[in-house]
Amino acid sequence: AQKVTQAQTEISVVEKEDVTLDCVYETRDTTYYLFWYKQPPSGELVFLIRRNSFDEQNEISGRYSWNFQKSTSSFNFTITASQVVDSAVYFCALSEGSNFGNEKLTFGTGTRLTIIP
Amino acid sequence: KAGVTQTPRYLIKTRGQQVTLSCSPISGHRSVSWYQQTPGQGLQFLFEYFSETQRNKGNFPGRFSGRQFSNSRSEMNVSTLELGDSALYLCASSSLAGGLFGSTDTQYFGPGTRLTVL
Repeated sequence: AQKVTQAQTEISVVEKEDVTLDCVYETRDTTYYLFWYKQPPSGELVFLIRRNSFDEQNEISGRYSWNFQKSTSSFNFTITASQVVDSAVYFCALSEGSNFGNEKLTFGTGTRLTIIP
Repeated sequence: KAGVTQTPRYLIKTRGQQVTLSCSPISGHRSVSWYQQTPGQGLQFLFEYFSETQRNKGNFPGRFSGRQFSNSRSEMNVSTLELGDSALYLCASSSLAGGLFGSTDTQYFGPGTRLTVL
């Protein structure tokens, strides 16, 4: 069975600090997809990134970067120079390849990130 | 392009009643998935529809059902409501036709319907 663990329940950092959100996953499939979503107070889940299991390249998008390491089954997310607008709950999610691609996501419990001005 | 829309946004029902929630996917998207979010259980997958057929189903009782129409709009129904059904119900859509490794598609979520059962 697939599982996603986000051990950090809540994190608070001062604005402009860097912060890393951890995600560890479990799956028996060799083909799978990993995701990060952001949930601001409005409640809507905002898609941030999607990775497939054969693409271990790290990715950077502006102040966001992701480190995917299959050896440790981790897909960590770093925000550089954090801003107050980054305050939200962040979810890591996994979908196994047998599930027709992306349609059955298993979510972690989320990390509530608070950026202190 | 308009995003995923869900109606109603808020709903209050009493135990034993039934409720129907609606989701309109992004134009051109044919897959619609439903998730339940509660403080205790987190985000859990309910079911997924593609071309009016249920393709995946989560571990929820039969009181939870859904359907998809020919225009890809979807509804979910919860019968005989229980207090524990109080949750944020999220709908997501994607255009992925199925199982094509390497696709860049993903699921986009709507704002959710917050259901309160009294």
